[in-house]
Amino acid sequence: DAGVTQSPTHLIKTRGQQVTLRCSPISGHKSVSWYQQVLGQGPQFIFQYYEKEERGRGNFPDRFSARQFPNYSSELNVNALLLGDSALYLCASSLSPSNTEAFFGQGTRLTVV
Amino acid sequence: AQSVTQLDSQVPVFEEAPVELRCNYSSSVSVYLFWYVQYPNQGLQLLLKYLSGSTLVESINGFEAEFNKSQTSFHLRKPSVHISDTAEYFCAVTSHGSGNTGKLIFGQGTTLQVKP
Repeated sequence: DAGVTQSPTHLIKTRGQQVTLRCSPISGHKSVSWYQQVLGQGPQFIFQYYEKEERGRGNFPDRFSARQFPNYSSELNVNALLLGDSALYLCASSLSPSNTEAFFGQGTRLTVV
Repeated sequence: AQSVTQLDSQVPVFEEAPVELRCNYSSSVSVYLFWYVQYPNQGLQLLLKYLSGSTLVESINGFEAEFNKSQTSFHLRKPSVHISDTAEYFCAVTSHGSGNTGKLIFGQGTTLQVKP
């Protein structure tokens, strides 16, 4: 069975540009969460989506947005990129928001130059 | 609000020696506790979790962790480490009950370096 898949795996962008990251959850999982992991730190919660609705948002600026599609895949968008947005972006899927078994993808490494 | 503190940023240890990675948490509500492992250039893998019941939980590869409510700790231990255990280890919590949204709060991570 396919696990959580994220694309692209690596990305280099210039300051001020916009980026879209994609996540496909495990089949049957309806909840998707996004985390940002800056080098040397633990992951920080950005968003959680369930049944196409936002269920939680972390302490991130409005430049960060996300959505979930009818097939439960998700996109994370970041506008007006800053150097500090350089990080590993992780997607996690679970059956539901309250389910304690979250499975993580390999992540997308975003470098802003 | 919840927070997680991993007391050691790096833990060097020789192969076949025992190891303990320390984790303390703070929360005003009851929590579930997790340990995740991250190998280089990979995502996070769940190592073990405490939900309820026995305070000692074990993983399939020899790690164990003990939930201590009075000390708000969830330390990870292994009696004999292997080179392949070299990785970053993250402790995490999430609230349970009616307030559970599945949002994970992670510690800063501990790098376990196993030397031959």
